[in-house]
Amino acid sequence: AQSVAQPEDQVNVAEGNPLTVKCTYSVSGNPYLFWYVQYPNRGLQFLLKYITGDNLVKGSYGFEAEFNKSQTSFHLKKPSALVSDSALYFCAVNYGNMLTFGGGTRLMVKP
Amino acid sequence: EAQVTQNPRYLITVTGKKLTVTCSQNMNHEYMSWYRQDPGLGLRQIYYSMNVEVTDKGDVPEGYKVSRKEKRNFPLILESPSPNQTSLYFCASSWTSVSPYNEQFFGPGTRLTVL
Repeated sequence: AQSVAQPEDQVNVAEGNPLTVKCTYSVSGNPYLFWYVQYPNRGLQFLLKYITGDNLVKGSYGFEAEFNKSQTSFHLKKPSALVSDSALYFCAVNYGNMLTFGGGTRLMVKP
Repeated sequence: EAQVTQNPRYLITVTGKKLTVTCSQNMNHEYMSWYRQDPGLGLRQIYYSMNVEVTDKGDVPEGYKVSRKEKRNFPLILESPSPNQTSLYFCASSWTSVSPYNEQFFGPGTRLTVL
């Protein structure tokens, strides 16, 4: 069975500083990995995905994620955080016909 | 506008009173799915549908039913709701399920409270 872990419930960062939101996964075979973002009172929005190829994946709103097969990780990163990036972030792995999500990490960016 | 819609957005009901949450998408997507979101647990998949008349259980199907009679609609049915089904529910859809890595489009959510 596949699983996703987001070890941090909350990440605090100052505006303008780099941010990292961590994700590790467990799945047999090749992983298809995703990051989604949820703003208050909204549904989830797709940010980026890793299917194959380059380990650094670029997505929406300046976010990127680094796939590391040996560490089974897919950390979300951004070079310079904005207050508007404050939201709930979910990592997910697609296996078969199902999508399994991590517990979510709340990102708080302070001015 | 391409979107996934859910109704109602908010619902308060009592134990045992049957309810249906509707979900509709206008993107001609084959794949549709229902999730529930609970604090600290992320989203958990309830049921999914690969196409019309094809549905399958997710991780937490107990107490729920679904149907897929039309491509655009995927209602979630709680025939006898219980308080442990109090949650935030999301419907989602994506392109052909042949590819396992198509991103999903989510509806705005339905907040259900069962008293």
